[in-house]
Amino acid sequence: GAGVSQSPRYKVAKRGQDVALRCDPISGHVSLFWYQQALGQGPEFLTYFQNEAQLDKSGLPSDRFFAERPEGSVSTLKIQRTQQEDSAVYLCASSLSGGGSNEQYFGPGTRLTVT
Amino acid sequence: GNSVTQMEGPVTLSEEAFLTINCTYTATGYPSLFWYVQYPGEGLQLLLKATKADDKGSNKGFEATYRKETTSFHLEKGSVQVSDSAVYFCALSFTGGGNKLTFGTGTQLKVEL
Repeated sequence: GAGVSQSPRYKVAKRGQDVALRCDPISGHVSLFWYQQALGQGPEFLTYFQNEAQLDKSGLPSDRFFAERPEGSVSTLKIQRTQQEDSAVYLCASSLSGGGSNEQYFGPGTRLTVT
Repeated sequence: GNSVTQMEGPVTLSEEAFLTINCTYTATGYPSLFWYVQYPGEGLQLLLKATKADDKGSNKGFEATYRKETTSFHLEKGSVQVSDSAVYFCALSFTGGGNKLTFGTGTQLKVEL
């Protein structure tokens, strides 16, 4: 079956531009997560949705970052006025429910480069 | 806060060698522990997990045992193959926290013939 998909796979933005990154989770998965992975580092948590409710946004690095999941399926991560430090791979993951041991299935990521 | 520490890489081994990648964690309470693997050009995949102390997770010849007394979850494989070359991430999560994952920095493994 289809896994988690993300688009675009690569994005180059000039500093100051706004970008929108899309995530299509596995159908029926309740939980959706966004992570940021800098080069040579492990992924770091950004935000978490259960259905359409954003239950945790403690990892968003600034108010330039905004995420939504209005119908409880597709999610968009928006970054306003991009800065060079925003360059990273943005990973989306989904899981069937919110249990702590439930497997998260990851998408291939969107590599954002801010020039 | 919660954190995960992994041994730094890259780790280079000959095929059929024994593999250990160390992982220790700091957490309040008893998290679930995971190893994720990222093969070249692919996304993160769950390799194995353990949800309570003394549990052993295993998959594809890899094993890791949840050791509460040493707060460790070391990854082992008795005989590595070239196809095991990848980046390995240790991670933890808590049920009450919406199961967001806290990852280590990753360990790159290179297996040579």
